[in-house]
Parts: sequence; C-alpha cells; structure tokens
Amino acid sequence: AQSVTQPDIHITVSEGASLELRCNYSYGATPYLFWYVQSPGQGLQLLLKYFSGDTLVQGIKGFEAEFKRSQSSFNLRKPSVHWSDAAEYFCAVAQFSSNTGKLIFGQGTTLQVKP
Amino acid sequence: NAGVMQNPRHLVRRRGQEARLRCSPMKGHSHVYWYRQLPEEGLKFMVYLQKENIIDESGMPKERFSAEFPKEGPSILRIQQVVRGDSAAYFCASSLLPGQSTKDTEAFFGQGTRLTVV
Repeated sequence: AQSVTQPDIHITVSEGASLELRCNYSYGATPYLFWYVQSPGQGLQLLLKYFSGDTLVQGIKGFEAEFKRSQSSFNLRKPSVHWSDAAEYFCAVAQFSSNTGKLIFGQGTTLQVKP
Repeated sequence: NAGVMQNPRHLVRRRGQEARLRCSPMKGHSHVYWYRQLPEEGLKFMVYLQKENIIDESGMPKERFSAEFPKEGPSILRIQQVVRGDSAAYFCASSLLPGQSTKDTEAFFGQGTRLTVV
C-alpha cells in the first residue's frame, strides 16, 4: 500500500537559517508528489509538485524540493526561513487508478521559527 | 474566480445530532474530494465525487457518513448521529480534471469546516 512518512513531527529553526523537511514515500510506480502548507485554522496551499522531468522542483515562497528515486524521498528545502513560514507542512503522494485520484498525506511537520 | 468555499467554517453539534457540511467547488470544477483531519494528524481521504456520482468512497466510514454532489448546488458531506470521535476538521478539494494526472491539474482546498461534537 502507498504511504508517506514525515519523520519529524516538530522542527524549530532560527529566522534566516536554512530548512529541510524530510519526506519518504512508498509507491510502486512513478510517484506524483506534493508539498502543502497549512497555516493555523486555514486550508492547504500547494507549495510545489513533482510529476516527471527535472528532479529539482521550484515552488512558491522560495521553496524547492528534490525527488530522489533511489532514496524514495522528496525533501523540502528553503535556504533562508522567514518568520511567516511558521506553519504545518504536509507531504503527499497521489494515487491513481481508473476510479480515483486521491492524495495520501504524511502526518505533517510543524515548523516553528525563532526570532 | 472564488476558491473552494466551505460552510460553515465552524459547526458545533450535540451527540446524536446530524451534521451537514457544504462544499462549493471552484467554478468549472466537477471533481470534488473530501478529507478529514483529526487533531494532531494528517489529512485522510474520505470520498471522491463527480457530478451526481460517487467515484471512490474507500475512505468513508461504513455507517453514519454519506456524501453527495448533485447536478446543481454544492457537495454535501452528511454525518448522522454524531459522536465525539467525529470532531475534526473536514476539508473539501476540487479539481478540473480527474485526479492529479496531468501537469496542469491541481486540487484546490477549501478552508475547512471544524466540527465539534459536545
């Protein structure tokens, strides 16, 4: 069965420091991978997605992610974190068949940013 | 173009009552997905609907939960005889094309309905 694991439940970084959020997936074929961000009390906003092609994907708000098939990973990175980046981040994989297109989410990583 | 609209944003129900959650997809979108987020957890898929059809309900609890997406009007997630364990945030997403099978397809999420059962 497909699954997504985000090993870090909470991460705290200082403002201006670099950030990497880990995501590992289990999927039999070429995965379609996503990172979403959720601010408190809000819905989910898509940061970036990987379908095929270049394994380094650029997203909004200065985020990027790298797909590594050999490691089954899709880690999210940002070179310099801003206080407004504090939120919860979800990695997801899309499951396709003739009858569905659902997303399977990881448990989420809560990011705190220290001033 | 308004985004995915969910209402109400907050809903309080007593045990045993019914909860009706509404989702209006983005204009032109005919594919709707419902997800549930329990406290301290990620989102779990519940059901995928197209206009007038349930395509995949593999994540729906077997009892008390139902969903519809009529030809006219919003999609409705209905929970009968709510229990405390139903307290969660329920998110709706919509997309233009089925699933996420093309590079230009994205599922847009609403802000969710936070259900509290007292």
